[in-house]
Amino acid sequence: KQEVTQIPAALSVPEGENLVLNCSFTDSAIYNLQWFRQDPGKGLTSLLLIQSSQREQTSGRLNASLDKSSGRSTLYIAASQPGDSATYLCAVKGSNSGYALNFGKGTSLLVTP
Amino acid sequence: DVKVTQSSRYLVKRTGEKVFLECVQDMDHENMFWYRQDPGLGLRLIYFSYDVKMKEKGDIPEGYSVSREKKERFSLILESASTNQTSMYLCASSPNNGATYNEQFFGPGTRLTVL
Repeated sequence: KQEVTQIPAALSVPEGENLVLNCSFTDSAIYNLQWFRQDPGKGLTSLLLIQSSQREQTSGRLNASLDKSSGRSTLYIAASQPGDSATYLCAVKGSNSGYALNFGKGTSLLVTP
Repeated sequence: DVKVTQSSRYLVKRTGEKVFLECVQDMDHENMFWYRQDPGLGLRLIYFSYDVKMKEKGDIPEGYSVSREKKERFSLILESASTNQTSMYLCASSPNNGATYNEQFFGPGTRLTVL
């Protein structure tokens, strides 16, 4: 069964720093990988989707990379802001798991002014 | 923008009650999903549907059933609510084609408390 791990579980940085969130997965036979943001008590907002044939995707200050062979993805956030404070979740859609996404437990990010 | 809506943000029910959670999406997506999210356990898939009247069990289907009579609507049913079903319930949808192929879009969630 696909296992998705996110490190660190929590992160606190001062405003303006660039930061990297990590996601690893055990089965490299994936269809795509998706990064989400979740604010407390709210639903998930899709940030970036990387198809298995892609190496990275960018949206504004966010850049996500994918190394399928090593089972890793990173989410890079440039020039962090207090409004970036949230939990970031990584989810993998396996080639052999039908329609389901396997989620990591998330990284809780706090950006302090 | 894709919009996924859920019928309630907060719900309080009694043990043994039958509970309906409704989800509606407006983007003509083929696939719809129900997850629950619990601290320390993350998101777990309960059921999903890839077409009208079609459904597949996820990782934790026990105690739940689903209904999809129309493409835009996917209902989660707790036949007899129990306290261990207190959780955040999240609905999602995804398309089978197009620029956002297989990208899942989530609703705002329903926080269910069973007393």
